[in-house]
Amino acid sequence: DIVLTQSPATLALSPGERATLSCRASQSISTYIAWYQQKPGQAPRLLIYDASNRAAGIPARFSGSGSGTDFTLTISSLEPEDFAVYYCQQRYSWPPNTFGGGTKVEIK
Amino acid sequence: EGHLVESGGGLVQPGRSLRLSCAASGFNFDDYAMHWVRQAPGKGLEWVSRISWNGGSVDYVDSVKGRFTISRDNAKNSLYLQMNSLRVEDTALYFCTKDMDGSGLNPHDGFDMWGQGTMVSVSS
Repeated sequence: DIVLTQSPATLALSPGERATLSCRASQSISTYIAWYQQKPGQAPRLLIYDASNRAAGIPARFSGSGSGTDFTLTISSLEPEDFAVYYCQQRYSWPPNTFGGGTKVEIK
Repeated sequence: EGHLVESGGGLVQPGRSLRLSCAASGFNFDDYAMHWVRQAPGKGLEWVSRISWNGGSVDYVDSVKGRFTISRDNAKNSLYLQMNSLRVEDTALYFCTKDMDGSGLNPHDGFDMWGQGTMVSVSS
């Protein structure tokens, strides 16, 4: 199974700062990765698919990049509503369709 | 805008069964693959099962193979998860999710709609 490792586990930043979240795959997965945001008590929300495509209604401050084994989700300027947990998901090989362990972006 | 609403969760003893349901609305349900994803308390997301648009293709995570069965009724816009021989480690919030594709195997896509989840607790 493909393992996704997200880092850091927790990222403490202030509103307005830039957030850079990493997801590393245990083998090459081309661009076949999606990113999700989950706020406490809520369902996840799709942000990015195919490494760099923003889902419908997602603000332009969210961007994704990478290919092969290393991927990045960038939030250019954190808004108060962006403090949440972020998960990556590989779509290259399944079953299983694995998720990373998550990165929590918290207010500094 | 589409919606997914799960039901059927609850507290059950180990070894017993539960059937989860997911009611879909606001989109052409029979055009899309569907999945179940679960989240144990305080933990991350775990994909559980996939079913293609017509029910002809299904997948499961190894830990539930032989115990869980995914199905759908396109006439009723509904997705189901029959869970047998439940274990303590199956305790989680179970989400119903919609794929962007009919097969659920398109690597370029993601899960673009989620329900709020239904909680399954397995304990003696």
